[in-house]
Amino acid sequence: DTAVSQTPKYLVTQMGNDKSIKCEQNLGHDTMYWYKQDSKKFLKIMFSYNNKELIINETVPNRFSPKSPDKAHLNLHINSLELGDSAVYFCASSHATAYEQYFGPGTRLTVT
Amino acid sequence: QQQVKQSPQSLIVQKGGISIINCAYENTAFDYFPWYQQFPGKGPALLIAIRPDVSEKKEGRFTISFNKSAKQFSLHIMDSQPGDSATYFCAATEWGSQGNLIFGKGTKLSVKP
Repeated sequence: DTAVSQTPKYLVTQMGNDKSIKCEQNLGHDTMYWYKQDSKKFLKIMFSYNNKELIINETVPNRFSPKSPDKAHLNLHINSLELGDSAVYFCASSHATAYEQYFGPGTRLTVT
Repeated sequence: QQQVKQSPQSLIVQKGGISIINCAYENTAFDYFPWYQQFPGKGPALLIAIRPDVSEKKEGRFTISFNKSAKQFSLHIMDSQPGDSATYFCAATEWGSQGNLIFGKGTKLSVKP
């Protein structure tokens, strides 16, 4: 009965590859987010989706593209991976009418 | 103006002591201030949050103190336990920003037995 789940938990890949991270929530929320946590543990929002509409895009390279097939899922596609993309990526969700955000367990991406 | 400044970067407290983490913000439009707790290898978990219309909120051993005029808020952990050892993040956002949580840089708390 995991609330927010992500797959895979670990992802190791080479520069230039394309990869995807999946996120699913069973909380009935209508807004989902992607955050990046760097090596210094700094958390920064990348995207959010509300009712299949992108409503935040925080100066993220266009190599990153969120895709939401439905309200319960928000996947992150990354093209032409670079060394600097190595980080932990967290998915989160919330109600559009509430402040509280609930985070998934994270995906550690390592680009070699 | 979007920054949230958090201190200290790390904190060591003896079991049973009080842990205090401070945050300061600039944007007066912020109207929601949560604290998240993160254990190694886990995602951040919402611990406690406060709105600016109250000066203090308590949940169990965790208390947020909020000073609107000083634009500061702090987390107090009473009777700190080794199980509280984690990284704590303060954050802030404003209604209408579509959930754009601005996080502090985190405080690594170690509670010694």
